[in-house]
Amino acid sequence: TQLLEQSPQFLSIQEGENLTVYCNSSSVFSSLQWYRQEPGEGPVLLVTVVTGGEVKKLKRLTFQFGDARKDSSLHITAAQPGDTGLYLCAGANFGNEKLTFGTGTRLTIIP
Amino acid sequence: EAGVAQSPRYKIIEKRQSVAFWCNPISGHATLYWYQQILGQGPKLLIQFQNNGVVDDSQLPKDRFSAERLKGVDSTLKIQPAKLEDSAVYLCASSLTGEVYTQYFGPGTRLTVL
Repeated sequence: TQLLEQSPQFLSIQEGENLTVYCNSSSVFSSLQWYRQEPGEGPVLLVTVVTGGEVKKLKRLTFQFGDARKDSSLHITAAQPGDTGLYLCAGANFGNEKLTFGTGTRLTIIP
Repeated sequence: EAGVAQSPRYKIIEKRQSVAFWCNPISGHATLYWYQQILGQGPKLLIQFQNNGVVDDSQLPKDRFSAERLKGVDSTLKIQPAKLEDSAVYLCASSLTGEVYTQYFGPGTRLTVL
């Protein structure tokens, strides 16, 4: 069974600060995704990374896929209250149409 | 384009009772997924359908959970009888065939078992 561990589990910071969330596995994934989930809603896809070492930017969010495709990070610059939510990473492998979700990081941005 | 619809949004039952959840995927999406998300955790796949056939139900507790997608569109997930540990959010997601990396999620049904 492939597992994805996220850290930290909880993070509470002031508006304007920077933060990094990590997603680690002992297994290799063909691709990795990041989702944000707000209370009472389903997860919403933010980004998919498929190449080892790949870096993608989405406004103030920067996503990186590890060279060995076993880990990923999400960096948020100048956090805003609208960034509050549960951040989930999810891995998939080609030929196996199933996503394995991480344990989640609950982020709270304090105005 | 309408998103994934789920109902009910909330359900409270007592243990040993039965409950059913309904999901209507995005039009044209052949693949449908049911996930269980326990509070504060990531979603866990329960069952995956391709049209009306089951692709993966390896993590579905088949002694109490059942799911069907008779006409390849809507789907229902049933729990009978419910246990306390079934308290969770049940998420439905759909995707186009072969696009597992682009799943669209519904808002979920929050189940509380007392």
